Amino acid sequence: GENVEQHPSTLSVQEGDSAVIKCTYSDSASNYFPWYKQELGKRPQLIIDIRSNVGEKKDQRIAVTLNKTAKHFSLHITETQPEDSAVYFCAASVGGGGGNKLTFGTGTQLKVEL
Amino acid sequence: NAGVTQTPKFQVLKTGQSMTLQCAQDMNHNSMYWYRQDPGMGLRLIYYSASEGTTDKGEVPNGYNVSRLNKREFSLRLESAAPSQTSVYFCASSGSQTGELFFGEGSRLTVL
Repeated sequence: GENVEQHPSTLSVQEGDSAVIKCTYSDSASNYFPWYKQELGKRPQLIIDIRSNVGEKKDQRIAVTLNKTAKHFSLHITETQPEDSAVYFCAASVGGGGGNKLTFGTGTQLKVEL
Repeated sequence: NAGVTQTPKFQVLKTGQSMTLQCAQDMNHNSMYWYRQDPGMGLRLIYYSASEGTTDKGEVPNGYNVSRLNKREFSLRLESAAPSQTSVYFCASSGSQTGELFFGEGSRLTVL
């Protein structure tokens, strides 16, 4: 089955700096790569996703890049703010529609310091 | 619009006891899932139901059973709880068009 590795497990940045979280996956058939944010004590929520037919996607201060050849994808957060502090999970699946089995990474605890 | 609702939010069990976690969604989604979340382990899929009438095992199905009662409801049962099942359990649902998972608030289960 799919295996998703995520690094780093913890990341501390100063407010205004950029943060980068990296993930690798093992199944070359995977073609859907979402990122979820989980604030302390809350449920995970989708913040951005990318499909294998594109290499990069941006939404305001967040962006995701995908390298299918190397089987890795990354989350980039620019101009970090205290409200960005949370755990971020990457995931991968084949399909990306309903019924897809997402395999999650182990998470990155991002702390944005004032 | 409640989204995904799961109960109970907290539960303490003794080893060997049984219990059922309930989940319901009001978004008319076809697919529903049960994940467990443990520190340092991320979210691991226990069981999922791609559509009403079907269920399939995920990564960590041992010790659990599920029932897709109807399109709205998907329950998770622990027949004989073990301390290794102490975890936070999340139910989720997704529609047919996108892969976005909508999670419930989670259920924190402690097995003594």
